[in-house]
Amino acid sequence: QVQLQESGPGLVKPSQTLSLTCTVSGGSISSGSYYWSWIRQPAGKGLEWIGRIYTSGSTNYNPSLKSRVTISVDTSKNQFSLKLSSVTAADTAVYYCARGRIAAAHFDYWGQGTLVTVSS
Amino acid sequence: QSALTQPASVSGSPGQSITISCTGTSSDVGSYNLVSWYQQHPGKAPKLMIYEGSKRPSGVSNRFSGSKSGNTASLTISGLQAEDEADYYCCSYAGSSFVVFGGGTKLTVL
Repeated sequence: QVQLQESGPGLVKPSQTLSLTCTVSGGSISSGSYYWSWIRQPAGKGLEWIGRIYTSGSTNYNPSLKSRVTISVDTSKNQFSLKLSSVTAADTAVYYCARGRIAAAHFDYWGQGTLVTVSS
Repeated sequence: QSALTQPASVSGSPGQSITISCTGTSSDVGSYNLVSWYQQHPGKAPKLMIYEGSKRPSGVSNRFSGSKSGNTASLTISGLQAEDEADYYCCSYAGSSFVVFGGGTKLTVL
């Protein structure tokens, strides 16, 4: 059973960089059939796709966040990471990592989510 | 990419059937058979209920079904149960390697 777990600071100051890591267990992140995504959800609001990374290192980002987002992968640690720069209060949200299937657009396994608050 | 359009809320009584719509455009829902649906209970992560328009993952009740017509996808839940009360989100491939979610629908079981 694949499991994903987000980790990282729960509080980030405005203008700083938000950094989160997702650790994958129960399966190899290097499987050729999947990609790895970050998705966020502000309190009381809907889901927003942030971007994804393939184990080759190739990435795709939401155009609305592209200038501030970097997603990377460390296959040796079975982890992938999110960096979001120049954060504001609008970036306060629960951040989820999720596994997506290549050639499809659905997410079959999700982390439990981690709340990141942007505040001074 | 704009979010897909879902009704803010739907409701139904136990045993009844309800349908949640998800309207996109010819650039996303209308062009690809890659719509998925997620159920989210309060404080929990979303759970995949339907993928590729109408397929159910193992373990998901056959009371859940998906369909599509033109630019609109639909999720139908038959034989409503109290445990179905949750938020539901649709999601579609939007071309150019992008993914877009709907705004979410709150299902209330009366």
